[in-house]
Amino acid sequence: EAGVVQSPRYKIIEKKQPVAFWCNPISGHNTLYWYRQNLGQGPELLIRYENEEAVDDSQLPKDRFSAERLKGVDSTLKIQPAELGDSAVYLCASSKGQGATEAFFGQGTRLTVV
Amino acid sequence: AQSVTQLDSQVPVFEEAPVELRCNYSSSVSVYLFWYVQYPNQGLQLLLKYLSGSTLVKGINGFEAEFNKSQTSFHLRKPSVHISDTAEYFCAVTTNTDKLIFGTGTRLQVFP
Repeated sequence: EAGVVQSPRYKIIEKKQPVAFWCNPISGHNTLYWYRQNLGQGPELLIRYENEEAVDDSQLPKDRFSAERLKGVDSTLKIQPAELGDSAVYLCASSKGQGATEAFFGQGTRLTVV
Repeated sequence: AQSVTQLDSQVPVFEEAPVELRCNYSSSVSVYLFWYVQYPNQGLQLLLKYLSGSTLVKGINGFEAEFNKSQTSFHLRKPSVHISDTAEYFCAVTTNTDKLIFGTGTRLQVFP
């Protein structure tokens, strides 16, 4: 069974430019998460989807970040415009539900804003 | 709201020695607890989880953890570490209705 697939693995952009990350979750997983992991820190949740619905986006900086999950499968996270402080690893994860169910993580996208 | 504290940011240890990585949590409701491992430039992989039942939980790669409700702890242990165990380890907590919250991580460095 394929795991969570993210692309690209690495991205370097200049500040004020837009950037997008893509995630393909494990088949059958209705819950999808986007986390941001700053250097030396644990992952922090940006947004959680249950199927197509964003059920927790309280930590998403909505002035510059947006996300979508069309048809309840793949998801895209966008930043526009990017700032220097957005440099981090962006992790996508999926699970069959929340709570006791295990979340499976992709390898992440390392974003560097210069 | 829940929170997780990992008391040690780095733990150096020699190969074949035992190791304990400490994790304490805070919550007013029942929780589920997880330990994840992250190898360099990789995503997170589940080591083990506590949902209910036996407080001693065994995971992959010879790791185990003990849930202690009175001390609100979920420490990770391994009796004999290997060079390949060098990685970042994250403790995480969640409930039936809340998000998965991670600690700041512990860097385990195993020396030959």
